[in-house]
Amino acid sequence: GESVGLHLPTLSVQEGDNSIINCAYSNSASDYFIWYKQESGKGPQFIIDIRSNMDKRQGQRVTVLLNKTVKHLSLQIAATQPGDSAVYFCAETKPYNQGGKLIFGQGTELSVKP
Amino acid sequence: ETGVTQTPRHLVMGMTNKKSLKCEQHLGHNAMYWYKQSAKKPLELMFVYNFKEQTENNSVPSRFSPECPNSSHLFLHLHTLQPEDSALYLCASSPRQGGYGYTFGSGTRLTVV
Repeated sequence: GESVGLHLPTLSVQEGDNSIINCAYSNSASDYFIWYKQESGKGPQFIIDIRSNMDKRQGQRVTVLLNKTVKHLSLQIAATQPGDSAVYFCAETKPYNQGGKLIFGQGTELSVKP
Repeated sequence: ETGVTQTPRHLVMGMTNKKSLKCEQHLGHNAMYWYKQSAKKPLELMFVYNFKEQTENNSVPSRFSPECPNSSHLFLHLHTLQPEDSALYLCASSPRQGGYGYTFGSGTRLTVV
């Protein structure tokens, strides 16, 4: 079946280090990918997105990389801060004419050690 | 505040109760969604409404009954729930149905006793 999965359920990093969170997806027809951050007691919050015609996209302290050959997505957080501690989800979506709904991965819990 | 407001934030109900969850958005979005988030599981899509019409029911048991009176409001009516229905119920909206421009509410933490 189709799924979007994350390689690690938990990730612990030292404050100031860079974090890399990985995600594998199975549907090569997906054309849009999103990373969400979910803090305790809150709903998922958009971080960064990337379309399938791109390999890399940068935001403020975050970078998303897309490798369509191996269907792999990663989120890099530079100079990780305590406020980055949260659960991170990747999500994929198919084109609107194929259903156009978000499929979420399982989530990686990021813990930042001071 | 994200622009999507869910009430109540917490709800405890017995298996014979009837309750409703409410979601409201004033973002001008035309699609609204209900998701269920259980511990250690991905978000599960339950229902999709696009321009007030239900476009998807993801094999959700009939004890969950959605209602969308207009594009700004979405309800989830609950009756005779089971303990395994305890979860975080998230509402989201987007400009139209699809994966783009989602905004999530903070969710309702439901406990069925």
